Formats: sequence, structure tokens, C-alpha cells
Amino acid sequence: DGGITQSPKYLFRKEGQNVTLSCEQNLNHDAMYWYRQDPGQGLRLIYYSQIVNDFQKGDIAEGYSVSREKKESFPLTVTSAQKNPTAFYLCASSIIGRRNRSTDTQYFGPGTRLTVL
Amino acid sequence: KNQVEQSPQSLIILEGKNCTLQCNYTVSPFSNLRWYKQDTGRGPVSLTIMTFSENTKSNGRYTATLDADTKQSSLHITASQLSDSASYICVVSHSGAGSYQLTFGKGTKLSVIP
Repeated sequence: DGGITQSPKYLFRKEGQNVTLSCEQNLNHDAMYWYRQDPGQGLRLIYYSQIVNDFQKGDIAEGYSVSREKKESFPLTVTSAQKNPTAFYLCASSIIGRRNRSTDTQYFGPGTRLTVL
Repeated sequence: KNQVEQSPQSLIILEGKNCTLQCNYTVSPFSNLRWYKQDTGRGPVSLTIMTFSENTKSNGRYTATLDADTKQSSLHITASQLSDSASYICVVSHSGAGSYQLTFGKGTKLSVIP
């Protein structure tokens, strides 16, 4: 898991609530990513950020929001608009990001398991 | 459509035995292919990365092969250990729209039993 931390490890949400998942890295990486992992499916990209104060939608951004106010932090908010939020959420970071080098390795955090009650 | 297909979905082997996991992809234009290991409830960890010109790469008891002509890769695990029990994910990088994108396979769940 390297220098990427995610909290909390488990999170329970009632329907209609917004929740925020934390992701912090001390690797001095420019790029950060949020993925969602569902049973029997590959990882799907929610949002990514190449640089502070900039972020881009991934393949499944609807119902999610992010911010990148600091290089080290990339929190993900799961809003009430996300109809099926129960999943395992993974944050990752890489040195310089998608635009610049295809061999840029992504390092993943330990994940947060979100369950909607 | 960019796709990465892995087989088998799951596999059970005895400790000490070898096994091979398969990855077929239909991604264009291809940039590189990675294998990740994901322990249950944890984040994936990179095992190998292979570019177009590489056809074999080893990392300890893990050996990955790539055939860019047939668009197939395999991950061979030698002398398996209980700690090898995990999901193994094949990820293909491809360029498009000014950036590099990743397509993830669904993974093969390996169980090594004593």
C-alpha cells in the first residue's frame, strides 16, 4: 500500500446521506485517482487529478464529487445522487499522471468499503 | 471496444504446485500490460509491467509473458505458497484522447491450499 492511506476502512451510510472518503499520500505524486470495485467486475475510474486544483471525470463520475486543494489529499464525496454506492473504493496515486507517460505506475491505498444501510 | 478478459475466474491449487493465469485483450493502440496482485480487502500491488517489445518478465516466482501479435499474456506462478492466495488483475494501458487510459480485467481469484 506504500505511502497512501485511506480512511475509514469501513463506512456505513444511510440512504440520502452524503459521505466523504479520505485519501492521503506522502509519495510526492502529482496524480491521484479514485476507483470503484464491485464483485466480479474490473476496477472502474471515478475521477482523477493530474495536479492541484484540477480534476477530470472518469468513466462513472455521476453521483460523486472530488476536490484537490492539496497535493497530498484527494477526498471523494459519495452523494445521495449515487443510486448504488455500496462498493469497495480504491484511491491510487502516480508520479506524473495519464497525459505524460504510459509506464507511470499507480500505487493503491488499502481501500474503503462503503455499505448503504 | 477496449476489453481485457481473464481466465479462469477462480483457481484452487495445492501448495507447492505451479499455475498459469491467462489474459486476453482487445485494446488499441496498445501501450503496456501490467499484472497486479490484490489480497482480499486490500489495494492492488504491481507485480510486472511489459511493453510492446518485451515478451517475458520475471519477479521472483512470478513470470509474465506477452504475445503482442495474439494479444495474450500469461502470469506463471512457480512453487506456489499460501501467501499467493489473492486476486490477480491484468491491466492494459492504451493511448487515446491525449492521455493514457487503463482497462482492468475482472481478475482471477487464486486459492492456494495446504
